[in-house]
Amino acid sequence: DAKTTQPPSMDCAEGRAANLPCNHSTISGNEYVYWYRQIHSQGPQYIIHGLKNNETNEMASLIITEDRKSSTLILPHATLRDTAVYYCIVRPFSGTSYGKLTFGQGTILTVHP
Amino acid sequence: GAVVSQHPSWVICKSGTSVKIECRSLDFQATTMFWYRQFPKQSLMLMATSNEGSKATYEQGVEKDKFLINHASLTLSTLTVTSAHPEDSSFYICSASYDTGELFFGEGSRLTVL
Repeated sequence: DAKTTQPPSMDCAEGRAANLPCNHSTISGNEYVYWYRQIHSQGPQYIIHGLKNNETNEMASLIITEDRKSSTLILPHATLRDTAVYYCIVRPFSGTSYGKLTFGQGTILTVHP
Repeated sequence: GAVVSQHPSWVICKSGTSVKIECRSLDFQATTMFWYRQFPKQSLMLMATSNEGSKATYEQGVEKDKFLINHASLTLSTLTVTSAHPEDSSFYICSASYDTGELFFGEGSRLTVL
């Protein structure tokens, strides 16, 4: 499975957009990009996923570069409750079923007042 | 989003005893469930993939006789830590997968072995 590289930590001011980068230069054509976040001592929370098109939902936007070698998760208006570890993961799809999620170290996002 | 529930959320047991953790998908049928373990200040480590009605597939280095996984129905998977020892103390998390690609996690179960 393709690996991802994320900065270990980032800071963001409350109310500003948080842009979290992820590098997945060895991604295969059948692998999706997933983003999760984990707040201390809780299970990971699904944020968004995509294959090659940009995606948006009520939580965030996912921007995937045209060559699919990197992506950015955008939290448009960060709040203090968005402080968490954010994981970027690539997940294979066989055509009929999705494969496993393998977590890396993630990015610790700290939103400050 | 979909709800995945784990029980118990925390458990303390004596060394040598077995502990069972349940994972339920409350509002959807999950053909595949995954079990993870997380030690303090570390990332999640995949232990095994559980498919309904078949044997679980374990990751390299995970003892299948120690961590028994049963996926008896489309809404329930169980993880049993057999003959638990203090080094098995960890945060155990399950996840359940939609066919459409979303994968949702439970709240986690914190095991402390004395």
